[in-house]
This record gives sequence, structure tokens and C-alpha cells, in this order.
Amino acid sequence: GAVVSQHPSWVICKSGTSVKIECRSLDFQATTMFWYRQFPKQSLMLMATSNEGSKATYEQGVEKDKFLINHASLTLSTLTVTSAHPEDSSFYICSTGTSGRTSTDTQYFGPGTRLTVL
Amino acid sequence: SQKIEQNSEALNIQEGKTATLTCNYTNYSPAYLQWYRQDPGRGPVFLLLIRENEKEKRKERLKVTFDTTLKQSLFHITASQPADSATYLCALAHGNNRLAFGKGNQVVVIP
Repeated sequence: GAVVSQHPSWVICKSGTSVKIECRSLDFQATTMFWYRQFPKQSLMLMATSNEGSKATYEQGVEKDKFLINHASLTLSTLTVTSAHPEDSSFYICSTGTSGRTSTDTQYFGPGTRLTVL
Repeated sequence: SQKIEQNSEALNIQEGKTATLTCNYTNYSPAYLQWYRQDPGRGPVFLLLIRENEKEKRKERLKVTFDTTLKQSLFHITASQPADSATYLCALAHGNNRLAFGKGNQVVVIP
């Protein structure tokens, strides 16, 4: 199956700073990647759909100016949390589907990035 | 409103027994349903997919059933092993091209 990597695996930052998280598809090309957020004991919540070569699609209630997504190539999507605050502390996970297109495919998830904002 | 419900209490089970988890959903009409395993601090890993016209699906020691009338899926781990200890998530594909996840059900297999 597909391998998806994320970097960093964890990050601690001060309130007000920006943090960039990378998601890479290692062995197949993904025109679409998905970003999720998971709070402790909660379900994964889809934040946005990252589309290669075009703008990301954000879910209702997710601020696009706060969570900047760039999908510059078929194997790399980045999520930047701008002006992070303690309430942004969470587990951020990316995924890509088997077809590389739709979120309803079987998903290959990255290992996740634990963000802690002090 | 739409809901996906999984038992919030951990399932403690003796090694060798069968663990059974339930996923109930409300106000969804999923074409298929998926089960994932998630270990602490890790991303989920896909286990099984079952379509609405399939009653049962098996993979090694795992079995999933899907009852669209009851709006329920059951997930079974037979001959459970300590390595099966994890949280298991169900996920539904729904109309607006999204996967919706339940909160997951933790399984603890006691040696």
C-alpha cells in the first residue's frame, strides 16, 4: 500500500508563531491530499482538501487564512498554521486516497504531527 | 443531525476470545463503510471496506458485517492477541464526497 510521511512528527511553538507541516506521498502521485485534525478522544475531523495546482477546499468552520495549504507537486502538500494559539494544539494528520482523488477512497494516512502551542 | 456512534468505553478482552465492536449511524446513507485501526500517537491504518450490498467481509482474523436496515456495522476480531490492542474507527462515505469518522472504540487484549 501507499506510504505517506509527515514532518515533523511533533512540534512545540510559542503562541503567535507559524508552523509548517509537510505531507509527502512516497510511492504514488496524489492529485488530492486531505488534512485532518484530531483532538484527544475525538474523531478525525476533515479540515481541508488539498488540490495539486489549485486552491484548497476548506470545510465549513475552518479558517482558510489561518490554515494555509499549498500543494505544489503531486507528492507534497503543506499545511501552515499561522499565528498559532493554544487552542490550535492538536494532532494533525494528512491522507491520500487510493485513487489519489477522492476522500471516500480507502485512505492512507500519514503518521501525524502533534502540535503543542504554548 | 448526523451521528456515528461507537462505544466510548474500552473493551477489555481475554487473549484468544473474540472482540466485537459496534458502529451505529444516524441520518447517513453510506454506499460503503470502512474500518481503521489507530495506535496511540499514530495515523489510522485501513483494515476493511464493506459495501452496502455486502453482508459480510473477512480478512484473516477480522470480520465485518453491514446491516443497512439497522444502520449498523459490527467488527469482530477472532482469536484476539495482545498486539490487537488499539483503537478501532469506523468511517462512512457519504453524499458530499466525504469520509465521516466515529470517535473510535478502544480494545485492550489481556494476556
